[in-house]
Amino acid sequence: DAGVIQSPRHEVTEMGQEVTLRCKPISGHDYLFWYRQTMMRGLELLIYFNNNVPIDDSGMPEDRFSAKMPNASFSTLKIQPSEPRDSAVYFCASSLTGQGTSTDTQYFGPGTRLTVL
Amino acid sequence: KQEVTQIPAALSVPEGENLVLNCSFTDSAIYNLQWFRQDPGKGLTSLLLIQSSQREQTSGRLNASLDKSSGRSTLYIAASQPGDSATYLCAVVGGADGLTFGKGTHLIIQP
Repeated sequence: DAGVIQSPRHEVTEMGQEVTLRCKPISGHDYLFWYRQTMMRGLELLIYFNNNVPIDDSGMPEDRFSAKMPNASFSTLKIQPSEPRDSAVYFCASSLTGQGTSTDTQYFGPGTRLTVL
Repeated sequence: KQEVTQIPAALSVPEGENLVLNCSFTDSAIYNLQWFRQDPGKGLTSLLLIQSSQREQTSGRLNASLDKSSGRSTLYIAASQPGDSATYLCAVVGGADGLTFGKGTHLIIQP
C-alpha cells in the first residue's frame, strides 16, 4: 500500500482565500484523523471520522474550518476564509480500528505545509 | 483535559551513548501510550505502542516503559547512532480515539 496520501504538500495562499487540503487514507482503514502541528501548540487533533462519519470535531478551532469524508477513500479539510494564524502543517492519519480498543496504531501522511500570507 | 509533557525539549549526545527520553501525562485513565518518530518535513512513524495493562515494549535498540499510576513513560535508546537523530513524540489515548501528543524531544546524535 502507498500509505496515507496528502495533497498538496505545500500551499501558499493569501489571507481571505479558501484552502482545501486532501487526504486518501490507507485502504481498509475505518478511522481517519486530521491533526494540525505548530511550534507553539505542537500536534493537535482537529477531527476524526469512523466509517466516513464525523465522531469528534471538538478540536476544530472555528467555524472557518470544515471537514468532510464523502467516501472511504477521500477526505477534505477546508478553511474559508484563511487567516495567517492558520499557518501550520496539517497531517492526516488513518487506522484500522479505534485507538481506545486495540493495539493498532495510526499511520500518518507526510503532511501539508500551509502558509497564509 | 489530558496534558502530555516531554523532557527534555532538545538533546544532543555523542554517537554510541545510551539515552532516556521522558514523557509525563496528567490523566492516568489511558488506553495506551505510543512513541513516534518524526523526521524533518515528514510525517510521524510509530515506534512502540504500550497498552495500559503493559509495563514495557521493546523493539531493537528501543525500549519504552509505562508507569500508568504515576503518569510517566520513558523511551530508552541504546547505543545511539546518527540515524537516530529526529524528533521523538509521546502520545496517549484516553476516552476518545484521537491521540494527545507531547511537544516532542528534538534529538541530535553527533557522529
